[in-house]
Amino acid sequence: AQTVTQSQPEMSVQEAETVTLSCTYDTSENNYYLFWYKQPPSRQMILVIRQEAYKQQNATENRFSVNFQKAAKSFSLKISDSQLGDTAMYFCPPAPLSGDKLTFGTGTRLAVRP
Amino acid sequence: EPEVTQTPSHQVTQMGQEVILRCVPISNHLYFYWYRQILGQKVEFLVSFYNNEISEKSEIFDDQFSVERPDGSNFTLKIRSTKLEDSAMYFCASHHGRDRNIEQFFGPGTRLTVL
Repeated sequence: AQTVTQSQPEMSVQEAETVTLSCTYDTSENNYYLFWYKQPPSRQMILVIRQEAYKQQNATENRFSVNFQKAAKSFSLKISDSQLGDTAMYFCPPAPLSGDKLTFGTGTRLAVRP
Repeated sequence: EPEVTQTPSHQVTQMGQEVILRCVPISNHLYFYWYRQILGQKVEFLVSFYNNEISEKSEIFDDQFSVERPDGSNFTLKIRSTKLEDSAMYFCASHHGRDRNIEQFFGPGTRLTVL
């Protein structure tokens, strides 16, 4: 069983600044992936970045990077140079290597202010 | 770029009616999922499907729900007798499943409104 906790229901950031969204999780799996998905007002779920738990190096994808602390089961997302299009709900579901279902938390609603 | 598609984008139905939500996963994907999201709530897993059979289902997925992959491309979710509480966004997702390619690609969703 997997659980996800996103302790920040809402966040706000000025355009061009940096924001960090927190995520903690619990899983009985030893090897797994972690994902950050964004859900803009259109409500489509879009993959932002993924991290393989057996890799120590933090994943980066352009303006998006993660801080993965496996022992603490923490997986935060840093968004640099925030853009208006980053306004969305953000979710961080873990997934076992078997490709099982995703378990979603309550999400963090990020608003980027112009 | 390949994408998951869903039809219709919005379905309005009367309580007690049957609805079929359709999804076309990415063509070389092997694992298929349905999730739902009631307005203002978190995304919930309904069912997973692999090798032409259900691999896992949640408590939500009761006898009123069924899934089918009738022709090797479509993946459908049927609700036999809709209830008011079935009103939600329904998302289809798929992933490849090989070579550790397990990130799920989501469709744009179908908004189901039960009156």
